[in-house]
Amino acid sequence: AQSVTQLDSQVPVFEEAPVELRCNYSSSVSVYLFWYVQYPNQGLQLLLKYLSGSTLVKGINGFEAEFNKSQTSFHLRKPSVHISDTAEYFCAVTPFFGNEKLTFGTGTRLTIIP
Amino acid sequence: ETGVTQTPRHLVMGMTNKKSLKCEQHLGHNAMYWYKQSAKKPLELMFVYNFKEQTENNSVPSRFSPECPNSSHLFLHLHTLQPEDSALYLCASSQVPGLNYGYTFGSGTRLTVV
Repeated sequence: AQSVTQLDSQVPVFEEAPVELRCNYSSSVSVYLFWYVQYPNQGLQLLLKYLSGSTLVKGINGFEAEFNKSQTSFHLRKPSVHISDTAEYFCAVTPFFGNEKLTFGTGTRLTIIP
Repeated sequence: ETGVTQTPRHLVMGMTNKKSLKCEQHLGHNAMYWYKQSAKKPLELMFVYNFKEQTENNSVPSRFSPECPNSSHLFLHLHTLQPEDSALYLCASSQVPGLNYGYTFGSGTRLTVV
């Protein structure tokens, strides 16, 4: 079974400052990794994913994430945030082979301070 | 437009009412999911359908009854709900096997039980 830990439930950041949202996972098998974003009163939207290859992946809206296998982490970063980045961010994993289900973390609420 | 459409967007119902939530996907996916998202709680997977067959029911109370007539449509029939059932209900779809593209979510139905 897989599990995902997002230690920070809330992250306040000043506008134009950098941000890192942390995600750690636990799995006995290789996994695919995802970050989703949820704007207020909307569904989840795929931000980026890691399948294989380069450990640094770029997504939409200027976000990027780095896969670190030894630390079982997949932290999300943005060098300069904007008010419009205010949202909830979810990390998720699924095994290469197996149950075909995404396991989600509990989410991190990013609040941008003007 | 994400390719997954949920209706209605908002629903207010009394505890004795019967209503249905609808989800439709235009992506050619063969798996569909219902999630419940309550305030300050993790995403809860409710039901999974693969090729129209229910493959998972995560101990959901019988007052929630899913229906999947074909791979493109998913319903959640509601009856005699409780106030604690008020939440955002999210539908998602995916292509299985091979979950390397993750899920595509709808915008959700905000349900309020009075």
